[in-house]
Amino acid sequence: DAKTTQPTSMDCAEGRAANLPCNHSTISGNEYVYWYRQIHSQGPQYIIHGLKNNETNEMASLIITEDRKSSTLILPHATLRDTAVYYCIVRVESGGSNYKLTFGKGTLLTVNP
Amino acid sequence: ETGVTQSPTHLIKTRGQQVTLRCSSQSGHNTVSWYQQALGQGPQFIFQYYREEENGRGNFPPRFSGLQFPNYSSELNVNALELDDSALYLCASSLDRFTYEQYFGPGTRLTVT
Repeated sequence: DAKTTQPTSMDCAEGRAANLPCNHSTISGNEYVYWYRQIHSQGPQYIIHGLKNNETNEMASLIITEDRKSSTLILPHATLRDTAVYYCIVRVESGGSNYKLTFGKGTLLTVNP
Repeated sequence: ETGVTQSPTHLIKTRGQQVTLRCSSQSGHNTVSWYQQALGQGPQFIFQYYREEENGRGNFPPRFSGLQFPNYSSELNVNALELDDSALYLCASSLDRFTYEQYFGPGTRLTVT
């Protein structure tokens, strides 16, 4: 699985958009980008994933650059409950080592009142 | 709430002892994965079970073993505990091996003294 690089920490004001970057310059053509988050004292939670097109769901939006070497997770209106560690993960959709998620250290997002 | 439960919540063991951690997956999920999360690190993949057979394994020694049962429950067993085994142990269930979303439990905090 391709390696990802994320900032160690970020701050965001409550109500503002939080934009979390992820670099995955060695991503392969068949690897998807996944985002999970882990709120303190809980297990990780799936947020969103995508291959090349931008994706949006009720939690967030995922913007993937045209060359797929980087992506941005956007929380449109951050709340205090969004304070968590956010993990960017790349993996193939099926086959190979798809069965596992390879987590890095992630980005600690702190939403401030 | 993911519908995935783990027991016990916390556990203290002595070096050299053996421990069994338990996980109850969502009904209908035939795949369970186990992860180890050391303090300040992202979760690290231990192994995955699919329909009661090991489907993939991370870089963990054989003293880490598992079982998956037909009733959607599973176990992680660790023999000859070492101090470095102190961590949060997470299980994650999914519909099958290749589904994009894994549902994590809250974890078991193991302390080895």
